[in-house]
Amino acid sequence: NAGVTQTPKFRILKIGQSMTLQCTQDMNHNYMYWYRQDPGMGLKLIYYSVGAGITDKGEVPNGYNVSRSTTEDFPLRLELAAPSQTSVYFCASSPRGVAGIYNEQFFGPGTRLTVL
Amino acid sequence: DQQVKQNSPSLSVQEGRISILNCDYTNSMFDYFLWYKKYPAEGPTFLISISSIKDKNEDGRFTVFLNKSAKHLSLHIVPSQPGDSAVYFCAASHAGGTSYGKLTFGQGTILTVHP
Repeated sequence: NAGVTQTPKFRILKIGQSMTLQCTQDMNHNYMYWYRQDPGMGLKLIYYSVGAGITDKGEVPNGYNVSRSTTEDFPLRLELAAPSQTSVYFCASSPRGVAGIYNEQFFGPGTRLTVL
Repeated sequence: DQQVKQNSPSLSVQEGRISILNCDYTNSMFDYFLWYKKYPAEGPTFLISISSIKDKNEDGRFTVFLNKSAKHLSLHIVPSQPGDSAVYFCAASHAGGTSYGKLTFGQGTILTVHP
């Protein structure tokens, strides 16, 4: 199993450009997440999805959009890139939880994005 | 509002000694805590977790302690090895069904283990 894969690994964007960060998981997990990590900071949740067709905002959603048309894929869209979006982006997935049971998240290797 | 805090940005220890990484939280709704380990250019990987109904969980060289009254947890690594050198993130969640597994992370602590 490949686990969680992310493409591209690196990208440089100019201000105002748009791009889509791809994320795919092959573990048949219901839950998927997008985080960003800024230097010296922890990971902050951008968006999450609990299943195909269902997405919701996390802590820092502004400037991003997501969609979840299949269980496997959870792309993150940046419409108008800004320097403040320079960061490392991580996608993660986990099995569906039930009350009182927590399932760990599995992370992809990340995409390093620079906006100039 | 930083709900999960790791106040030590870095920690340096000698191989074979104990490493103690600390984490504090403010949200009383958190009832599940995790430690993730991250190497450069890789995603975080799960290390160990603890539920709020316990005060200690052990897995090999790794032990996590939880002090609910102080809203504090710590990760002990004994003995420390050079391969443990990485960034360690503390994370917290609410295990209820409606939380959907969302995690709140601390800022991370860079652990360096010297041979």
